[in-house]
Amino acid sequence: EIVLTQSPATLSLSPGERATLSCRASQSVSSNLAWYQQKPGQAPRLLIYDASNRATGIPARFSGSGSGTDFTLIISSLEPEDFAVYYCQQRNNWPLTFGGGTKVEIK
Amino acid sequence: EVQLLESGGSLLQPGGSLRLSCAASRFTFSSNAMSWVRQAPGKGLEWVSTISPGASTTFYADSVKGRFTISRDNSKNTLYLQMNTLRAEDTAIYYCAKAIETKNYFDYWGQGTLVTVSS
Repeated sequence: EIVLTQSPATLSLSPGERATLSCRASQSVSSNLAWYQQKPGQAPRLLIYDASNRATGIPARFSGSGSGTDFTLIISSLEPEDFAVYYCQQRNNWPLTFGGGTKVEIK
Repeated sequence: EVQLLESGGSLLQPGGSLRLSCAASRFTFSSNAMSWVRQAPGKGLEWVSTISPGASTTFYADSVKGRFTISRDNSKNTLYLQMNTLRAEDTAIYYCAKAIETKNYFDYWGQGTLVTVSS
């Protein structure tokens, strides 16, 4: 099973600041990685797939990069609605796995 | 817009059985793989199971293999999860999720249905 390790666990930032989230895989997943955002009481929302492709309707301030084992999600300038938990997910191997999440909170 | 509506969640005792349903609409259900993903209270996301568009292929997490069965009825646009021999650790919100294109990423999710296993 591929283990996805997200860091940091919590990121405390102010609106307008840049957020950098990391996801590291225990073995290569090529570019087969997605990022999701989840707000309290809501289902997750797909942000990025295939490491760097924005999903439909996702603002340009969200960008993804990486391949192999190291991936990054960047939110270029945090909006109030971006404070949430973010998960990465790999589809390279079965079982599909998610990272443990990074909570982006207001500083 | 795509709609996924789960139902069937309940409170039940360990060892019990339950069937979840997910009614899909506003997309070509028979063309997409579908999955169940769960989230224990206050915890992260855990993939549970996936079924191919034509139901010929299924995949399961080790934690549910042999106890849960995923199925679909493409004539009814409905996804199912039969859950047997339930354990306390199966307590979670269960989401059904649609796969994007031919890839196992999830571009649409239902609102979730809560399954609580407790004596």
